[in-house]
Amino acid sequence: EVQLVQSGAEVKKPGESLNISCKGSGYTFIAYWIAWVRQMPGKGLEWMGIIYPTDSHIRYSPSFQGQVTISVDKSINTAYLQLNTLKASDTAIYYCARRFTAGYDFDYWGQGTLVTVSS
Amino acid sequence: QSALTQPASVSGSPGQSITISCTGTSSDVGGYNFVSWYQQHPGKAPKVMIYDVNNRPSGVSNRFSGSKSGNTASLTISGLRAEDEADYYCSSYTRSDTLVFGGGTKVSVL
Repeated sequence: EVQLVQSGAEVKKPGESLNISCKGSGYTFIAYWIAWVRQMPGKGLEWMGIIYPTDSHIRYSPSFQGQVTISVDKSINTAYLQLNTLKASDTAIYYCARRFTAGYDFDYWGQGTLVTVSS
Repeated sequence: QSALTQPASVSGSPGQSITISCTGTSSDVGGYNFVSWYQQHPGKAPKVMIYDVNNRPSGVSNRFSGSKSGNTASLTISGLRAEDEADYYCSSYTRSDTLVFGGGTKVSVL
């Protein structure tokens, strides 16, 4: 069974940093791109970027370029999203998702990680 | 990069058909056959319902269908059921080798 399992909810203070993980199982992890998607409270989906585990090739959304860092450790089938210098506006649910077509279509999603940034 | 344009809400009675539109530009929706539709129930992760404009993943009901004309893609739900009540998002590959989502449409079953 294909699964993407994300790390648990986090509460952080402004200015702190955070790494969210997304562990894939049940498929050949390096063969599929992994994307990150943000959903702010009560709002829509926003594509942040995508990484190919085989060679760590990354594509960032212009809206998130320089604001986040996407990485992967293929030895443990895990992708990461790093958020630096957190602000209250980073409060959101962050999802990872597996790309399964030539377009950026996603068939499996992680359960989401709720990040709350509050002083 | 601007989000694709979707109506904020669409409603219908059980058994009816509804259509959700998703309007972009020639740099995204109009330029590629890489439009997807996702269903999201409250507190849940999105689920792909349609990919590559009009393809249904295995396990998705054939009551869901997709189409595209010019810069506008559409999702049609026929035989509306209570469990179809959810938020729906379109997405499209773009000329910049990125992805853009629509703002989302809340579907209500009356």
